[in-house]
Amino acid sequence: AQKVTQAQTEISVVEKEDVTLDCVYETRDTTYYLFWYKQPPSGELVFLIRRNSFDEQNEISGRYSWNFQKSTSSFNFTITASQVVDSAVYFCALKTSGSRLTFGEGTQLTVNP
Amino acid sequence: DTGVSQDPRHKITKRGQNVTFRCDPISEHNRLYWYRQTLGQGPEFLTYFQNEAQLEKSRLLSDRFSAERPKGSFSTLEIQRTEQGDSAMYLCASSQDPVGEAFFGQGTRLTVV
Repeated sequence: AQKVTQAQTEISVVEKEDVTLDCVYETRDTTYYLFWYKQPPSGELVFLIRRNSFDEQNEISGRYSWNFQKSTSSFNFTITASQVVDSAVYFCALKTSGSRLTFGEGTQLTVNP
Repeated sequence: DTGVSQDPRHKITKRGQNVTFRCDPISEHNRLYWYRQTLGQGPEFLTYFQNEAQLEKSRLLSDRFSAERPKGSFSTLEIQRTEQGDSAMYLCASSQDPVGEAFFGQGTRLTVV
C-alpha cells in the first residue's frame, strides 16, 4: 500500500522568510513518481513538480526547490524568500504502478506581510 | 484549450436527491480521473478512465456512485440518493500519459442538506 505523510498541518511565516514543507512517503515499488501540488483558496490544484524514483537530483525553479532523498523516503519542498501569494495548501502525492495519485493531508502555509 | 472544466462549481441538494456533475478534460488528454476532497484532507481517488473505458474504481465508489465517459471526451459523475456524508469537493483531472502530471479542474463543491 502507498502512503504519504505531511506531518506539518499548518505553518505560518513572515514574508521573506524561507520555509520547508516536509513530505515522507511509503511504497514497496521501486518505480514511482512524486509530485507537489498547490491549492490556493480558489480550490484548483496547481501542478508544481514531478520526480521519478530514479532521479535523485535536487531541483530549483526560481524561489522553489525540492530535495528528494530515497534513503529517508522524503521529498521536501522549500520556498525561499516567501511571499504573501505563496499562501495556500500544499500537497505532496505519490504515483506507483497504478493510475491513481495518493495524496498527503496537505500543509496549510500562511505567509504574513 | 483553457484547462479542465467542471460544472457546476457549486451544488446544494437535499438528502435523497440525485446529482450529476460534468467534467471536460484538456482536449488531447485521453486519461481522466475523479477525486473527492473533504475539508482539511487531501484528495482521494474515486475512478479513472482511459478514453471511454473505466479502468479503475476505488472502494470509496459505492453503488450509489456511477461515472461515465461515453465518447472518450467529457465525463459525468452521478450520485444517487445523496447522503450528508457525500458533501465534499469533487475534483476532475486529466493527463496525457499514465505517469505524467495530472491537471485538475476547479472542482464541484457538493453540499447535501
